[in-house]
Amino acid sequence: DIPLPQSPSSLAASVGDKVTITCRTSQSVVNYLNWYQHKMGKAPKLLIRAASILQSGVPSRFTGGGSGTYFTLTIDNLQPEDSATYYCQPTYTSPYSFGQGTKLEIK
Amino acid sequence: QVTLRESGPALVRPSQTLTLTCTVSGFSLTARGMGVTWVRQPPGKALEWLALLHSDGEVYYNTPLGTRLTVSRDTSKSQVLLTLTNVDPDDTATYYCARAPMFAGVIFFDYWGQGALVTVSS
Repeated sequence: DIPLPQSPSSLAASVGDKVTITCRTSQSVVNYLNWYQHKMGKAPKLLIRAASILQSGVPSRFTGGGSGTYFTLTIDNLQPEDSATYYCQPTYTSPYSFGQGTKLEIK
Repeated sequence: QVTLRESGPALVRPSQTLTLTCTVSGFSLTARGMGVTWVRQPPGKALEWLALLHSDGEVYYNTPLGTRLTVSRDTSKSQVLLTLTNVDPDDTATYYCARAPMFAGVIFFDYWGQGALVTVSS
């Protein structure tokens, strides 16, 4: 099972910065794509569903965009608690495999 | 309040069968459009989707696991079971179950258990 490519695979940014993570699928998944945040030792957390719908309770500085085969997760005004690995997940059709992950470090 | 809790052995010997139970509360396993999924994370690796059980009883599997993986449910106990046969050290991982509703055609995993660490070792 080869994870879906995400870009970048890792990055480091400072508090207050804006970062964008991209996810590309091999064929169109329309808007059937979700984003998750995963911190070590904790359960993954749903951030964005259907490409751009912010999950309840998630700060508005998280924004999802894109459609078809190209998707983005943008985090504005980075906070220390945003240090985590971020995964995209297309759910247009099974298998509902995750992206390879993007590890975000807050400097 | 929606909760999911994984339970099962922390250590399994190679070639044995692993059975994990996901006990849910706050929603029905048979509610229309509802599902429960299993995801695992081997140490230092990415999340790996394993299977999804729909409310109608249909199960979708991640095919690389072949016929080793079976997911079933006991609706009377609000439990979803994962059975993985002939385990080997590569199956060492933290196993998560999550609620998987479908809304406007999109499936997403919105509530997660805390995870169960399973080590395969002799």
